[in-house]
This record gives sequence, C-alpha cells and structure tokens, in this order.
Amino acid sequence: NAGVMQNPRHLVRRRGQEARLRCSPMKGHSHVYWYRQLPEEGLKFMVYLQKENIIDESGMPKERFSAEFPKEGPSILRIQQVVRGDSAAYFCASSLRTSGVYEQYFGPGTRLTVT
Amino acid sequence: AQSVTQLDSQVPVFEEAPVELRCNYSSSVSVYLFWYVQYPNQGLQLLLKYLSGSTLVKGINGFEAEFNKSQTSFHLRKPSVHISDTAEYFCAVSDKGSEKLVFGKGTKLTVNP
Repeated sequence: NAGVMQNPRHLVRRRGQEARLRCSPMKGHSHVYWYRQLPEEGLKFMVYLQKENIIDESGMPKERFSAEFPKEGPSILRIQQVVRGDSAAYFCASSLRTSGVYEQYFGPGTRLTVT
Repeated sequence: AQSVTQLDSQVPVFEEAPVELRCNYSSSVSVYLFWYVQYPNQGLQLLLKYLSGSTLVKGINGFEAEFNKSQTSFHLRKPSVHISDTAEYFCAVSDKGSEKLVFGKGTKLTVNP
C-alpha cells in the first residue's frame, strides 16, 4: 500500500510565477490536509479538504493561495504570483476517518524555492 | 488558541544515554496528543499518540511518552538512544473533534558516538 505521494519533491520558481503542488493520498483515504513548514519552524496548518469540498481553510493566506481535491485525481495546492516569503516545505497528509478517531499520514513534502 | 511549546530547540546526547524531549501545550478542551519524527529531507512519521486511557503511551523505536493533564505536558522519553535516532522531533496537539494539528517548533536530537 503506497504512502502519501507528493510531487514534485523540489520546485524552483521565479518571483511572480505560479507554483502547483500535487498530493495523492493513501489508497482509500478521502481526507487531505496541507501544512507549511517555514525554516526553523514547526508545521502550520493551511487547509483541510474532502473530495470536492473545502472543509477548513482557516490557515490559508487570504490571497494567492488556493487548494482543491477533485473527485478524480490528486489534491492541488496552487500559489499564484509567488514571492520569496513563500519559500518553504509544503507537506500533505491524508487520513481515513473511523469513529471520529483519526491519524494523519504525511507525505515527503515539496520544497519550494522562490528566486 | 491552542499552542505547543517545545522547550528545547536542540538536545545533544551520547549514544546509549537516556533522553527526554519536553512538550507543553495550552488548550481549554480535551485534546489528542502526538509525537512525530522527521529525518532529514523526509516527511513526518508518527512515533506515538495519546487519545484516551492510560497516560503512559508506548510508541515505535523504543520511545514512550506520558500525558500529564495537570501540568499540560506530554514529554517524550527513551531510556537508551542510538545514532539512528538523530532527527527532529515534533510534538502536536489537536482538540477532540478538530481536524487540525497544531505543532511545536521542533527539537533537534543529535546522538553522538
């Protein structure tokens, strides 16, 4: 059973370009979470999605950032017009809800560098 | 709002020595507690979790943690560390019923020969 997959693992963008980060959850998992890890910081929650629904986006910056989890295909985190401050590691996690108890399984992350 | 404090940013120890990584949290409601390990350039792996029941939780790789509600702490311990335990360790908390994990800033454990 493959784990959570993220691609690309490393992404370099110039300021003003768009970044698209992909996350394929574990087989059978229908819940996806995105976290951002800035240098020397812990992970910060960004958004929680189920298939075709955004459940909680309280951690998403108000502008330039969006996320989706379509019925088919991976979850996408999209950052428009990237700035140097967007340089970070972005982690995706997935979970299978069972009786209200959950465990989030993390992918290896995408390291975004904005030049 | 919830917060997690990991009191030590770096902990150097010698191989086979015991280690304790400290974690305190603030929350006004019942919580779930987690410890994750992150090896260089990798994602996070769950070491152990406290959901309910016994306050002493055993995890993988010989780690254990004790939930202390009165002190709002969830310290991670291992009686004898190996070189391979060198990694960064993150404590995380989640309110019961919430999907969000709130992480501490991490503790870098370095095990020296």
